[in-house]
Amino acid sequence: NAGVMQNPRHLVRRRGQEARLRCSPMKGHSHVYWYRQLPEEGLKFMVYLQKENIIDESGMPKERFSAEFPKEGPSILRIQQVVRGDSAAYFCASSPRRTSGNTGELFFGEGSRLTVL
Amino acid sequence: GEDVEQSLFLSVREGDSSVINCTYTDSSSTYLYWYKQEPGAGLQLLTYIFSNMDMKQDQRLTVLLNKKDKHLSLRIADTQTGDSAIYFCAETQGTGANNLFFGTGTRLTVIP
Repeated sequence: NAGVMQNPRHLVRRRGQEARLRCSPMKGHSHVYWYRQLPEEGLKFMVYLQKENIIDESGMPKERFSAEFPKEGPSILRIQQVVRGDSAAYFCASSPRRTSGNTGELFFGEGSRLTVL
Repeated sequence: GEDVEQSLFLSVREGDSSVINCTYTDSSSTYLYWYKQEPGAGLQLLTYIFSNMDMKQDQRLTVLLNKKDKHLSLRIADTQTGDSAIYFCAETQGTGANNLFFGTGTRLTVIP
């Protein structure tokens, strides 16, 4: 009965490299959300995806960041040409349905901590 | 736009009550939530309250909602060292929301 699985837990990259963060939602969940937590700050919404569709990417930086949730396999958050300001904890959450109209509980993974040197 | 605010730090002695406060701006919020984040872990839902309720109690946790002032609080009775964590207030944004908006989190430190 696995929960939301994220990997890697810790990732170190040098400036200019690419970072790929993976998230496998809970079994039966088709909605995935990515949040970013900068040091000493709260979680900020980045993107909401369903299988093969981006529903809301209003929180995604316009450049270098992309996300996908293919029909098969985990959701991937990709950051190209990383900069020091990308250092943060990236949390993935999943839900069985849209959060509106119900209790809206999201199930969170343990996060991927990206450090850019 | 939405804005959820919390104080950053709170320290209490073991056995005392903790009260963590939160204010929000979206008057159309339907549900409000408290999440707990322990060190090195993801967030876990602690409790939630529907916007037409004033209070909800769940064992040592009491949630109070003042909709007029857009103020939410979480009271933890008989606080234990295991309650040390970051507590996030969150709200759904309107009736068409598809995600939650979180406050900055309050770091609760319980002093033995």
